[in-house]
Amino acid sequence: AQKVTQAQTEISVVEKEDVTLDCVYETRDTTYYLFWYKQPPSGELVFLIRRNSFDEQNEISGRYSWNFQKSTSSFNFTITASQVVDSAVYFCALSGTGRRALTFGSGTRLQVQP
Amino acid sequence: DTAVSQTPKYLVTQMGNDKSIKCEQNLGHDTMYWYKQDSKKFLKIMFSYNNKELIINETVPNRFSPKSPDKAHLNLHINSLELGDSAVYFCASSQLKDTSSTDTQYFGPGTRLTVL
Repeated sequence: AQKVTQAQTEISVVEKEDVTLDCVYETRDTTYYLFWYKQPPSGELVFLIRRNSFDEQNEISGRYSWNFQKSTSSFNFTITASQVVDSAVYFCALSGTGRRALTFGSGTRLQVQP
Repeated sequence: DTAVSQTPKYLVTQMGNDKSIKCEQNLGHDTMYWYKQDSKKFLKIMFSYNNKELIINETVPNRFSPKSPDKAHLNLHINSLELGDSAVYFCASSQLKDTSSTDTQYFGPGTRLTVL
């Protein structure tokens, strides 16, 4: 069975602070895929990143960066110099070759105060 | 140019009614999904269709029936609505290239269903 744990329910930071959202996953698949989605207050789900299990390279996209570590089954997401527009619920998700549907974590609500 | 669209965006109805939510994607994807997001924001898969065939059918009441007239559309019909059906329903699509890979799922804007 697949499982995604986002232990941080809510995080509040002040603008320009760096913040890391944690994601820990469980799967028996040898090949799997990890995702992050953003759900702003308007409600839509916005795709941020996808990583394959065989590619442990970290990725940076502007102020966003992702740290994938198979040894600890973690796929953490860091926002550098946070902005008010980053306020949203962020979901980590997992899928495998045997099960294409996404298994989502419970989400982390990030509030960035001006 | 909306990639995945859903109608309606809001749906308010009485218990016992039957309602449908429509989903269309113009991404050329061959797989479509329905997810339910409950009041605590938890997202869970309900159904998935690949080329008009049902490939995932999670444990949902049989009052929920997906229908895929073609690979660009996946509608969700709900019979005898109950209070507990109130949630946000998201449609998504992706391209399953082959059995050894998976692709990104892109989501529609969601339909907020309120059952009174």
